[in-house]
Amino acid sequence: QKEVEQNSGPLSVPEGAIASLNCTYSDRVSQSFFWYRQYSGKSPELIMSIYSNGDKEDGRFTAQLNKASQYVSLLIRDSQPSDSATYLCAALTASKLTFGTGTRLQVTL
Amino acid sequence: DAGITQSPRHKVTETGTPVTLRCHQTENHRYMYWYRQDPGHGLRLIHYSYGVKDTDKGEVSDGYSVSRSKTEDFLLTLESATSSQTSVYFCAISESGLFYEQYFGPGTRLTVT
Repeated sequence: QKEVEQNSGPLSVPEGAIASLNCTYSDRVSQSFFWYRQYSGKSPELIMSIYSNGDKEDGRFTAQLNKASQYVSLLIRDSQPSDSATYLCAALTASKLTFGTGTRLQVTL
Repeated sequence: DAGITQSPRHKVTETGTPVTLRCHQTENHRYMYWYRQDPGHGLRLIHYSYGVKDTDKGEVSDGYSVSRSKTEDFLLTLESATSSQTSVYFCAISESGLFYEQYFGPGTRLTVT
């Protein structure tokens, strides 16, 4: 079992729709979580961090954390073609940050 | 890229040769990291630094060494390059805490023939 799992996709959503990206993690002591966006051929870019259960909103992005169920999700509202990218989830324990392999999102016109 | 540069951006080298990649930051961030990214494996940590001359190994450190003699520079050396080290290498920095909220450089594509 991978420590951080993401569906590789592609996840295809129409422009204007909500994209829902999910991530599960195996280490129960993971405390902090991060979402990165990576365009093809580019470096990862931090979108959001979340540390406590519940929702955290930043513009069109909402991160959701459920530690009891060990999942983290990222919602993108009003999806735009410019949101087409690979989204990486990362989980931090006391001394280790583990990245998932990412979900590719395609926003179609 | 948050004031981070990497050099070279592309390099082709032969098996057995030493290679040094440089990461330079202008943000004065305390923490610096080297990752490699390969299809199917995601980002994997090679080495990291928590201060000048303070470094530690990541999960894939075999065959790599690092040095940090100044806050702004973090060097990654492949002591004797192998084909398995063909990859894209990213440097990252953070300030809010070890492994927290990292900002990545543009990457170096290394090919070992």
